[in-house]
Amino acid sequence: SQQGEEDPQALSIQEGENATMNCSYKTSINNLQWYRQNSGRGLVHLILIRSNEREKHSGRLRVTLDTSKKSSSLLITASRAADTASYFCATVDSGGYNKLIFGAGTRLAVHP
Amino acid sequence: DGGITQSPKYLFRKEGQNVTLSCEQNLNHDAMYWYRQDPGQGLRLIYYSQIVNDFQKGDIAEGYSVSREKKESFPLTVTSAQKNPTAFYLCASCLGQATGELFFGEGSRLTVL
Repeated sequence: SQQGEEDPQALSIQEGENATMNCSYKTSINNLQWYRQNSGRGLVHLILIRSNEREKHSGRLRVTLDTSKKSSSLLITASRAADTASYFCATVDSGGYNKLIFGAGTRLAVHP
Repeated sequence: DGGITQSPKYLFRKEGQNVTLSCEQNLNHDAMYWYRQDPGQGLRLIYYSQIVNDFQKGDIAEGYSVSREKKESFPLTVTSAQKNPTAFYLCASCLGQATGELFFGEGSRLTVL
């Protein structure tokens, strides 16, 4: 079962522009995490936001969480070609162990 | 350097054969996970283990088996019962429930000929 669903499925922008990806989920959560995956590689953790937090920053990344709407957004500011990757949100079900459930991801292409 | 090592990176298998994918971590993490990823899709949980000698089925455990005899190791066997095994397999580990951040290996790509 997929908990998080990202939107859009694919995003194409120019270098220097901002990229916004959204994630919706279905059940109550402990936290929501964003991961990045370069083509053919493993995933790398970007940021974790807890259910009692509304916004979090890390470098050029800004994550928001709206538990009333069961949604989160990831904003990458001043994007670079090196940001080209797939981005996944993952949620930890509040009822279970640390079992992360991933969405299908957003494929971001940043063109020079 | 600490991390997770998966091997082999690429593996070809004939139909009807079992194959075992290796996953080793030196992060001293208690929890380990196996995910399957199909092209253009997200990750689906196959099995996970919270501690040594204990593991639980994930969402798509049929046709797979695991063992957790050592804290550092969590091998995945793809059996002949798995009807569509061609996929990218990712192993991950986690310090514990408190943090939730998963550390991933570089993956193993299995192709059934």
